[in-house]
Amino acid sequence: SQELEQSPQSLIVQEGKNLTINCTSSKTLYGLYWYKQKYGEGLIFLMMLQKGGEEKSHEKITAKLDEKKQQSSLHITASQPSHAGIYLCGADRGGGSNYKLTFGKGTLLTVNP
Amino acid sequence: GAVVSQHPSRVICKSGTSVKIECRSLDFQATTMFWYRQFPKQSLMLMATSNEGSKATYEQGVEKDKFLINHASLTLSTLTVTSAHPEDSSFYICSARLLAGGRNEQFFGPGTRLTVL
Repeated sequence: SQELEQSPQSLIVQEGKNLTINCTSSKTLYGLYWYKQKYGEGLIFLMMLQKGGEEKSHEKITAKLDEKKQQSSLHITASQPSHAGIYLCGADRGGGSNYKLTFGKGTLLTVNP
Repeated sequence: GAVVSQHPSRVICKSGTSVKIECRSLDFQATTMFWYRQFPKQSLMLMATSNEGSKATYEQGVEKDKFLINHASLTLSTLTVTSAHPEDSSFYICSARLLAGGRNEQFFGPGTRLTVL
C-alpha cells in the first residue's frame, strides 16, 4: 500500500513567518491533494497536483510536486492566525483504484499572533 | 469549490442501536463517494467506496454487515452503523468525487461525530 510521510508533525510559527510542510510518498503519485482541517471539522480542499514539476498557488499558499512525483511541498508565505489547522496530504492511488485517497498523518500548524 | 453536506453533525446513541449518517453533494452529481473515519489526533482512514447504483467496496478489516452503505442517488450516500458499540465512537467523514469539465477532485463533508454510550 502507498505510504505517505508528512513532516514536520507539528509546527509553531510567529505570525508573518514563512513555512513549508512536506509530503513524501513511497510510490509514484498519480495525484496529490492538499487539505486543511480544523479539529473536529471536515476537510477544506486546497489544491491538487498531478504533473511532475507542477506548481499551484492560491492566495499565500503554494504547493509543488517534484519531477519524480514522489514528493510534494506546501509553502505558506507571511503566515496568519487564520492559517492555523491541520494540513493533510492525500495521494490518489491511481485510476484503477477508483481514485481512493490515502492520507498522511497530518501536520498541525499553530500561528502565534 | 463544490459543497458536500453531512447530517447529523453530532449524534449520541445507546449501545446496540443503529445510527444513519447522510452525505449529500449539494451542487454536483457524484457517482462515487467515500466514507472515512478519524480517531482523535489521527489521520483519516478510508472505510469504503460508495458507488451509485451498485454495492459498496469495503476496505480490508471493515465489516460490511456492520457499516451498511447505500448510494441510492447521484447526490446521496448513507452510512448506517448497526448495533453500535462504544468502540464505534469516532468522527465519520464522507467525500464526494467531482469528475466533470476536466476536474477530478474530492470534496469533503463537515463530518459527523458519533458517540456511543
